[in-house]
Amino acid sequence: QVQLQESGPGLVKPSQTLSLTCTVSGGSISSGRFYWSWIRQHPGKGLEYIGYIYYSGSTYTYYNPSLKSRVTISVDTSKNQFSLRVSSVTAADTAVYYCARQGIGVAGDWGQGTLVTVSS
Amino acid sequence: QAVVIQEPSLAVSPGGTVTLTCVSSTGAVTSGHYPYWFQQKPGQAPRTLIYETNNRDSWTPARFSGSLLGGKAALTLSGAQPEDEADYYCLLSYGGARVFGGGTKLTVL
Repeated sequence: QVQLQESGPGLVKPSQTLSLTCTVSGGSISSGRFYWSWIRQHPGKGLEYIGYIYYSGSTYTYYNPSLKSRVTISVDTSKNQFSLRVSSVTAADTAVYYCARQGIGVAGDWGQGTLVTVSS
Repeated sequence: QAVVIQEPSLAVSPGGTVTLTCVSSTGAVTSGHYPYWFQQKPGQAPRTLIYETNNRDSWTPARFSGSLLGGKAALTLSGAQPEDEADYYCLLSYGGARVFGGGTKLTVL
């Protein structure tokens, strides 16, 4: 059973960069079958797809067009982790951030989520 | 970017049947959109109910089923239980892009 766990600062100052890491256990991030995703949920709102990285030797990334200029998703195969960076954050980036694993022919898995608050 | 539309709220009686739908602004939803359905209860992370139109996750009760219905993705709950009260989200793929619907708040009363 694959488990995903988000980690990172719970408080980020406006204009700074939000950085989160998702640690994957019980499966290899290099398997090449999965899309390693970041999703967020603003307080009391619906789910928003931030983007994903597909890794199989080379990488392919997808970013939500509304966030594309500020978002980077990367993978560290040596640590079996993938990461999210969101630059120039504002209060509008305050949300619960989830990492997730999705793939063809599988239901996928989610982390438990981590709340990130943008405030001075 | 496409917009994915769900009913904001629905209600069903215990033991009753309800269908939630997922509409794409670009036209008919097909199996090529790989529809997913997620359930989220208050304070919890979402979890996958249905993947790729009609496949249940290992934990998904048989009373939940996914389908394509009249150009929409559909999630049908037959024999609603109180514990099914939750928010439900669909997710559609558009080539490499992924777009969530706005979610449906399902009340069982």
